[in-house]
Amino acid sequence: DAGITQSPRHKVTETGTPVTLRCHQTENHRYMYWYRQDPGHGLRLIHYSYGVKDTDKGEVSDGYSVSRSKTEDFLLTLESATSSQTSVYFCAISAGGGSGANVLTFGAGSRLTVL
Amino acid sequence: AQTVTQSQPEMSVQEAETVTLSCTYDTSESDYYLFWYKQPPSRQMILVIRQEAYKQQNATENRFSVNFQKAAKSFSLKISDSQLGDAAMYFCAYGRPFGNEKLTFGTGTRLTIIP
Repeated sequence: DAGITQSPRHKVTETGTPVTLRCHQTENHRYMYWYRQDPGHGLRLIHYSYGVKDTDKGEVSDGYSVSRSKTEDFLLTLESATSSQTSVYFCAISAGGGSGANVLTFGAGSRLTVL
Repeated sequence: AQTVTQSQPEMSVQEAETVTLSCTYDTSESDYYLFWYKQPPSRQMILVIRQEAYKQQNATENRFSVNFQKAAKSFSLKISDSQLGDAAMYFCAYGRPFGNEKLTFGTGTRLTIIP
């Protein structure tokens, strides 16, 4: 997990409550991503960021919002958690370009359970 | 949208033997990257190997090699001399340079090593 940390690592919450997951990097990488991992679906992109205050939607963005006010932090918010959002969430970073193009480094994951 | 297909949900191999994991992808682009990531029980996502589509030569990393067939849109991973530590989920992924660096993942293949 060198250079990228996720918090919290585990969280149990109730339906309808807001939840924020934090991703923090010390690599000064431009690109940051939030993926969710579910059995039978692999990893699916929720949102990504290509710079401070620059974000865009991924393939499963409904019910999620993100913010990036600093290069090092990328927050994922579930405004009102639902049971379908029970999942393992991964943050990833990429420096982009050249020999590092598309090479993602992942955090350790955050397991979220919505009861 | 690009899709990545891993048709083998589970595979097993005897220790010290060779195993091949399959991956196909769909794209209309000619310039892209392909990856294999490994996820052991620790849940950490680890980059195994990366292939640049414009390179004819198949990538290799120690006991890991790929068979990249661009025309067939096939990208298989061969693991030689399988070891107990190779037991993991393996994900194939596709990405394009200059496209915000994001990756599209397959659904994964769970590899079991039989002692």
